[in-house]
Amino acid sequence: GAGVSQSPRYKVTKRGQDVALRCDPISGHVSLYWYRQALGQGPEFLTYFNYEAQQDKSGLPNDRFSAERPEGSISTLTIQRTEQRDSAMYRCASSTRQLNSPLHFGNGTRLTVT
Amino acid sequence: AQKITQTQPGMFVQEKEAVTLDCTYDTSDPSYGLFWYKQPSSGEMIFLIYQGSYDQQNATEGRYSLNFQKARKSANLVISASQLGDSAMYFCAMREQITGANSKLTFGKGITLSVRP
Repeated sequence: GAGVSQSPRYKVTKRGQDVALRCDPISGHVSLYWYRQALGQGPEFLTYFNYEAQQDKSGLPNDRFSAERPEGSISTLTIQRTEQRDSAMYRCASSTRQLNSPLHFGNGTRLTVT
Repeated sequence: AQKITQTQPGMFVQEKEAVTLDCTYDTSDPSYGLFWYKQPSSGEMIFLIYQGSYDQQNATEGRYSLNFQKARKSANLVISASQLGDSAMYFCAMREQITGANSKLTFGKGITLSVRP
């Protein structure tokens, strides 16, 4: 497709359940990023990949959060044993590897943990 | 220390006037890039403009320009001839170049701009 695609757009889950959020980047973009954004705040970095290699996962809040990109294209962010504090907008972005390459963001997945 | 600082409270500007949104940053890397994004109420993130640390001239893109003052570590966004559609949240972000490769973008907290008719 033309842009970054994320699914689902909305996800409501009960506390303690696992969720998987999917991101399909722009074709040809080597780098893929995951961010979390609270209402009225800036995006908070979680992790990023170059090809299939996870380059930086320093932003993952704890070991309940994990991400993978096994074939260097589609990525999945998994949250295990969800908690109410995990409720947020989760955004994926992709870019080329150049320093001046902007991140192109998807529309995000709104996660609500009840 | 915060990498990106955006401390202005909500900003208001009259339609057709210019407005400056402030951004200061903190890095010890000589090579870095600065980005501005716009987020309207619809929630999408729209890339506006980029400035590289080695760029000799201030970046411009249509009505957007960057007032880049490297010594002061500031990269203020100037929007000329404001339009009602400019009402949105604006984020400043920085990418540091580590070992020649790209890295994450670090975002500021954002500034809300409201354009008055």
